Amino acid sequence: GAVVSQHPSRVICKSGTSVKIECRSLDFQATTMFWYRQFPKQSLMLMATSNEGSKATYEQGVEKDKFLINHASLTLSTLTVTSAHPEDSSFYICSARDWRGSTDTQYFGPGTRLTVL
Amino acid sequence: KNQVEQSPQSLIILEGKNCTLQCNYTVSPFSNLRWYKQDTGRGPVSLTIMTFSENTKSNGRYTATLDADTKQSSLHITASQLSDSASYICVVSFAGGGADGLTFGKGTHLIIQP
Repeated sequence: GAVVSQHPSRVICKSGTSVKIECRSLDFQATTMFWYRQFPKQSLMLMATSNEGSKATYEQGVEKDKFLINHASLTLSTLTVTSAHPEDSSFYICSARDWRGSTDTQYFGPGTRLTVL
Repeated sequence: KNQVEQSPQSLIILEGKNCTLQCNYTVSPFSNLRWYKQDTGRGPVSLTIMTFSENTKSNGRYTATLDADTKQSSLHITASQLSDSASYICVVSFAGGGADGLTFGKGTHLIIQP
């Protein structure tokens, strides 16, 4: 199956700093990528849809100025958590949409554990 | 409102035993249903994906069934192994919604005990 990578896998930062998370589709081009957040023992919650070459679409309640998304190429989307606070500590997962088969499929990255002190 | 309900919320079984996880949905119009396995601290990995016309699909020891009439799906795990311990997530997409039209279940947390 297709591979989606994330970097870093985990990050610890001080409150007030910004953190950038990268999501890459390694063997296919993804015009659409998605960013999710997952709290312990909870399901994935969609934060935003990242479209290559255009602005991201944010879900209701997600602050676009706090969670900056850039999808500058067909294989890379980045999520920057600006001025991070402890409540932003969570597991962030990206996914990339693969249109090559008869059914469009989403492949998820391995996730990034963010801890804000 | 599109919803996906999974049961049980958690399950503990002995290694070698079989188990069945349930998924009921109200997503409409239906496009496809996927089962994912998510290990702790990892991203979800696809196990099966079924469209409206498919009733069953297997992936090794995992067999998923779909009844589009009753809007129910199940994931059967045969001869469980310790490595099967994970959360199993049922995800349903509605037609025309694209990948942002996915509705996630809350998952079943499965623990395999030796």
